[in-house]
Amino acid sequence: NAGVMQNPRHLVRRRGQEARLRCSPMKGHSHVYWYRQLPEEGLKFMVYLQKENIIDESGMPKERFSAEFPKEGPSILRIQQVVRGDSAAYFCASSPSAGPNQPQHFGDGTRLSIL
Amino acid sequence: TQLLEQSPQFLSIQEGENLTVYCNSSSVFSSLQWYRQEPGEGPVLLVTVVTGGEVKKLKRLTFQFGDARKDSSLHITAAQPGDTGLYLCAGESGAGGTSYGKLTFGQGTILTVHP
Repeated sequence: NAGVMQNPRHLVRRRGQEARLRCSPMKGHSHVYWYRQLPEEGLKFMVYLQKENIIDESGMPKERFSAEFPKEGPSILRIQQVVRGDSAAYFCASSPSAGPNQPQHFGDGTRLSIL
Repeated sequence: TQLLEQSPQFLSIQEGENLTVYCNSSSVFSSLQWYRQEPGEGPVLLVTVVTGGEVKKLKRLTFQFGDARKDSSLHITAAQPGDTGLYLCAGESGAGGTSYGKLTFGQGTILTVHP
């Protein structure tokens, strides 16, 4: 009964490199959400995707950040030309549908460190 | 922009004491979710409250949703060291009748229960 799987758990990049974060939702879940968490803070919504569609990307920076959820395979959060300020924990959550009050199940996150 | 103010930010108490964490907003939410997060892990859903005035109990934890669905509280009775962790409230938007699961998180409350 696998939950939301994120990998890698830890990722170290140098400034200017690209970071790719992967998220496999729970079985049967077709809705994926990405959140970012700074140390000792709450989570900030970034983007909401369904299979092959971006539904809401209002929380994602306009530059350098992109997300996809292809028909096959995991959802990918991609950060190009990373900067020190991108260092954070990135969490993915999934739900079976987007109706009201659907519980979101979170993965254990990817901790991104920028050198 | 919807905001959730969570208080207190830090709480350090002795085993056996009671405590309350508050989550307040000027916005109406279709539901309010409470999560607990351990270091190095993702948030784990504790409860979802949906109806204004709703009260839910989970062992020693009591969750309440305000009548106007703008605020919520978490009360822990006879706290134990195992309750130590980060507690997060999250509101789901959709006051107008539509909701797509985008969660607005409070800043979190770091609870430490000393033996």
